[in-house]
Amino acid sequence: GAVVSQHPSRVICKSGTSVKIECRSLDFQATTMFWYRQFPKQSLMLMATSNEGSKATYEQGVEKDKFLINHASLTLSTLTVTSAHPEDSSFYICSAKSDYGYTFGSGTRLTVV
Amino acid sequence: QKEVEQNSGPLSVPEGAIASLNCTYSDRVSQSFFWYRQYSGKSPELIMSIYSNGDKEDGRFTAQLNKASQYVSLLIRDSQPSDSATYLCAVNTGGFKTIFGAGTRLFVKA
Repeated sequence: GAVVSQHPSRVICKSGTSVKIECRSLDFQATTMFWYRQFPKQSLMLMATSNEGSKATYEQGVEKDKFLINHASLTLSTLTVTSAHPEDSSFYICSAKSDYGYTFGSGTRLTVV
Repeated sequence: QKEVEQNSGPLSVPEGAIASLNCTYSDRVSQSFFWYRQYSGKSPELIMSIYSNGDKEDGRFTAQLNKASQYVSLLIRDSQPSDSATYLCAVNTGGFKTIFGAGTRLFVKA
């Protein structure tokens, strides 16, 4: 089956710093990856669609200058949370479409203190 | 109106019973429908996908789709305590964008 690896699984950072989250498709090529955010007891909210070799498409209300997405290869997309603040603390999950449907990474728990 | 609606629950069923989870969607052109299971603090994992009207069975799970009524359901037979999780309904309208419901929390009592 399709495997999506996400790293790190958990990160604690100080307010004002930047954090990079990696999402890799291990056994398939993903021209498109998706980044979601999930607050406690809420559903997944799509933040942006990451397209290999081109600019990401951001959902309404998501600041593209704060959440930088780079999809430089067919197997890697990165999300950088810049100048993180406590309100950015959340569970970030990436996803990619394969022959088996939409496969999710294991998620990154970000805590900004 | 939310695009994908689910009862938040919690839905509590005894072990061995059938758990029935329901989902409605607003976009009539929706083509692909998915059920995901999410344990607390973990990422969602795909349980079932269904694309045409009717029932689709996989082990203890049965997905049911009715496009005319715009609803999709998931039945879990012989429910086990390990089935206790949040179940997310997801709908795709044909492009890459998939919309998730808020999820239904299921508790299976031993």
